[in-house]
This record gives sequence, C-alpha cells and structure tokens, in this order.
Amino acid sequence: KQEVTQIPAALSVPEGENLVLNCSFTDSAIYNLQWFRQDPGKGLTSLLLIQSSQREQTSGRLNASLDKSSGRSTLYIAASQPGDSATYLCAPESGAGSYQLTFGKGTKLSVIP
Amino acid sequence: DTGVSQNPRHKITKRGQNVTFRCDPISEHNRLYWYRQTLGQGPEFLTYFQNEAQLEKSRLLSDRFSAERPKGSFSTLEIQRTEQGDSAMYLCASSLPQVPYEQYFGPGTRLTVT
Repeated sequence: KQEVTQIPAALSVPEGENLVLNCSFTDSAIYNLQWFRQDPGKGLTSLLLIQSSQREQTSGRLNASLDKSSGRSTLYIAASQPGDSATYLCAPESGAGSYQLTFGKGTKLSVIP
Repeated sequence: DTGVSQNPRHKITKRGQNVTFRCDPISEHNRLYWYRQTLGQGPEFLTYFQNEAQLEKSRLLSDRFSAERPKGSFSTLEIQRTEQGDSAMYLCASSLPQVPYEQYFGPGTRLTVT
C-alpha cells in the first residue's frame, strides 16, 4: 500500500524567500506524481504533474523534481509571495492499471508580508 | 472551458438520513474520480469511473455508499443512513483518457452529519 509523507507539516517564511517542500513515497512503481495547492475549505488546484520518465517540471516560480527510484519529490517555490499561503499536497498515481492518487497530509505554508 | 462542478457545496443532515451529491466533470473527460477528505488529512480515494463503468472501488466505500455514472457524463454519490463519521469534504475529479491522465478537482461538497 502506498504511503506518502510530507515534510515539514507547516512552514512559515518571510515574503521573498525561496523554499523547498519535501514529499516521500514508499512504492516507487508510480505512473506520475501531481502537486496540488489547497486553500482553506476549498478544492484542489493542480500545480504540476511529473511523469515517471521525467526528472522535473517547471511552471512560473514553481519547480518540481522527481527521483522515482528513491521515492522522493520536491517542490521549489522561488520568491515566495503572501498569495502562496496555502496547503501543498503531493500525490503519486499508482501504476498497474490503478489510477488513484494517494495523498500525504500536506505542508501548510504561510508567507508573511 | 468550465472546470469540474459539484452540488451542493454544503450539506447538513441528521444522522440516519440519506444524502446524494452530484459531480459534473470537464467536458470530454471520460474518467471521473471520487475522494473523501477529513479535517487535517489528505484526500482518500473512494472510486473511479471510465465512461459509465465503475472500475475501481476503495475498501472505504462501505455498503452504505453507492456511486453511479449512468450516461458517462455526470456522477452521483449517495450515502445511506448517514453516520457522524461520514462528515467530510467529498471531492470529485476528472481526467482525459490519455497520457498523462492529469486529474482536475472540483470545489467539493462539505457534508456535516449532526
């Protein structure tokens, strides 16, 4: 059974700092991995998807990397802004015909103006 | 292109009542997923449809839960004889039937069982 751990559970940084969120998963036989953000009481917004054959993906100030063999992914946020404050969730998608995403508990990010 | 929509957004019900939620996926997305999220936790997978066929069900989906997607478009999730432990956010997602199967989520339905 896939298990996902995200470290740290919470993070508070001053505006403008660069930061890294970590995600580890136990079963490396994944098809892809998605990073999401979730604002309080809201649904999930897809940020980046990395396919298992890729090492990283970039979108604006966000860069996600994937080391499938070691079961790790990181999300790098450059020049953080108060609007980045949210919970960030990583979710590997199981392979072998199962398309479910398995989520960690997330990292709650607060960017202080 | 509209996103995934879910109705209602909030539902308060008394223990023992039945509730039904609706999800409308992004058009042309033939895959549809249901997840449940309790406070402080990440979402947990419940079930998945490809067109009208329900292809995967989690053990979390007890006999009191049933999901349908009769015409391969919108889906409904029904909970019978609700219990307080059913209080959660119910999230729906959809994806295209092609690589990389990126899942797009709706705003969720918040269920409170009193």
